[in-house]
Amino acid sequence: SQQGEEDPQALSIQEGENATMNCSYKTSINNLQWYRQNSGRGLVHLILIRSNEREKHSGRLRVTLDTSKKSSSLLITASRAADTASYFCATDPSWSNMLTFGGGTRLMVKP
Amino acid sequence: DGGITQSPKYLFRKEGQNVTLSCEQNLNHDAMYWYRQDPGQGLRLIYYSQIVNDFQKGDIAEGYSVSREKKESFPLTVTSAQKNPTAFYLCASSIERATGELFFGEGSRLTVL
Repeated sequence: SQQGEEDPQALSIQEGENATMNCSYKTSINNLQWYRQNSGRGLVHLILIRSNEREKHSGRLRVTLDTSKKSSSLLITASRAADTASYFCATDPSWSNMLTFGGGTRLMVKP
Repeated sequence: DGGITQSPKYLFRKEGQNVTLSCEQNLNHDAMYWYRQDPGQGLRLIYYSQIVNDFQKGDIAEGYSVSREKKESFPLTVTSAQKNPTAFYLCASSIERATGELFFGEGSRLTVL
């Protein structure tokens, strides 16, 4: 069964706008990761946030983690057409690298 | 350049045939994984291996088999026992119990005719 559930399933925005994607999970975790997948390609790691962290930044990416609510969000600021992709959250319960992936959010950024 | 190479990128199979998907990495990673992705869905773990000559079943191992004879290679065989094999298959690797990050190949798309 999938641990993470992304919301929304699909998101369409204009270039320059911010995009926010949410991820909820069910069991305790040691870390949560976000990955990006261009259509028909492999996944690329974006960012990892540990269970004792609340917020992390990487370039135009901002990730938050609320372990009390078992949820995370990924914010992409000043989006570009090249950000068009599917974004997946993945949870790791024990630093085992045994990740459980959510169903993904399909982001479309219109030029 | 270091990375993970999957082949073939596209594969067609007749019902009843076994097929083997190749995954090779030159990242010197200990752990390797196979995931299955169905259209519009997330990834589900088929098998994983944390060390040579050892591997464990993931969530959906039925109808699949693997081997890990070399650190660099982790081939996946989709057997005729797999009822619905049409899917996108992704291989990944990681430094065991280190960064937590998985490195993925570009995937192999299997279609059963």
